Amino acid sequence: EDQVTQSPEALRLQEGESSSLNCSYTVSGLRGLFWYRQDPGKGPEFLFTLYSAGEEKEKERLKATLTKKESFLHITAPKPEDSATYLCAVQDAGRRALTFGSGTRLQVQP
Amino acid sequence: DAGVIQSPRHEVTEMGQEVTLRCKPISGHNSLFWYRQTMMRGLELLIYFNNNVPIDDSGMPEDRFSAKMPNASFSTLKIQPSEPRDSAVYFCASSFTRPGLAVTPFTYNEQFFGPGTRLTVL
Repeated sequence: EDQVTQSPEALRLQEGESSSLNCSYTVSGLRGLFWYRQDPGKGPEFLFTLYSAGEEKEKERLKATLTKKESFLHITAPKPEDSATYLCAVQDAGRRALTFGSGTRLQVQP
Repeated sequence: DAGVIQSPRHEVTEMGQEVTLRCKPISGHNSLFWYRQTMMRGLELLIYFNNNVPIDDSGMPEDRFSAKMPNASFSTLKIQPSEPRDSAVYFCASSFTRPGLAVTPFTYNEQFFGPGTRLTVL
């Protein structure tokens, strides 16, 4: 059974204080790892897809990396508008559905 | 594009009543997913369709839940009878699946989520 564990559950940062969120996973065969952002009262918003170990993707202050066992979402010099819950999900080989982690609630204070 | 549309946005009902949630996927998308999100269990897949056909309904909690996709632009999730433990936010998501690409990386998994329906069963 696919498992996705995210840490920490919650993270409070000062504006400009860089940090990383972790997503560790267990799948029989990784088809893809996905990062989403979710704001309160809204649906998840797609950020990145990573397909193979060593792959990296960037978008503004966010950078996602992937190894064979985990993924990191690095946030560089965050701003208050980066405050949200960040969800990680994996797609196992042979399935189109995603298995989501419980998320990391990020709060960036000015 | 209007994105994934869900209705109603909020639903309050009494235990035992039938509840129907509706979803209109993004035009051109051929995969549709129903998720449920709660504080305790996070985001869980209930069922997904490809080309209007249910592919995996293993996440449907019990027979009280049913989902249909009569055409490419509409899907429903029905709960009958509803129970208080069904209270959650229900999301619909859609994506595009390229036909024939079964083993190579593909981009269809960029799932686009709707705003959700917040269901409260009293």
